[in-house]
Amino acid sequence: DIQMTQSPSSVSASVGDRVTITCRASQGISSWLAWYQQKPGKAPKLLIYAASSLQSGVPSRFSGSGSGTDFTLTISSLQPEDFATYYCQQANSFPTFGQGTRLEIK
Amino acid sequence: EVQLVETGGGLIQPGGSLRLSCAASGFTVSSNYMSWVRQAPGKGLEWVSVIYSGGSTYYADSVKGRFTISRDNSKNTLYLQMNSLRAEDTAVYYCARVGWFRELLWGQGTLVTVSS
Repeated sequence: DIQMTQSPSSVSASVGDRVTITCRASQGISSWLAWYQQKPGKAPKLLIYAASSLQSGVPSRFSGSGSGTDFTLTISSLQPEDFATYYCQQANSFPTFGQGTRLEIK
Repeated sequence: EVQLVETGGGLIQPGGSLRLSCAASGFTVSSNYMSWVRQAPGKGLEWVSVIYSGGSTYYADSVKGRFTISRDNSKNTLYLQMNSLRAEDTAVYYCARVGWFRELLWGQGTLVTVSS
């Protein structure tokens, strides 16, 4: 199985801050990577697919980059509704997920 | 509008069986890859199973031999038959449509609690 490692596991930030979350795959996955946002009691919501493609309806302050084994999710200017947990998912083989990054209000 | 609605969760004793349903609208289940993913309380996401448009099925090692994924084309519905349930199967179960780039588009989930 391909292991996905996210960092940090949690981060505190303020509204307006720029935040970057990283995800590393245990082997190369080309651009087969997605990012999700999950709020408490809700299903995950797709933000980014194919490493850098923005899902329809997702604000442009979210962006993704990377290929191979190293990927990043960047939120350019945090909004109050962005405080949530974020997961990466490799799509190169049967899906595996990072352990999640909890984004908290500072 | 694309929508997935899961039902069938509940409280079940260890060793019991449960069948989850996922009713789809806005697209055809049989023309898509469809997956089940679960999330134990307070934990991360774990892929459970997939059914391809051609009918091939695959399972995580943790559920192989106990869970069966299937679909009813006439009802446009995905199923997960869960047998020999264990406490560690307690989770919210999500069905998801697999997109062109193998990204997941999720239903709202249904909670399965395995406890005596």
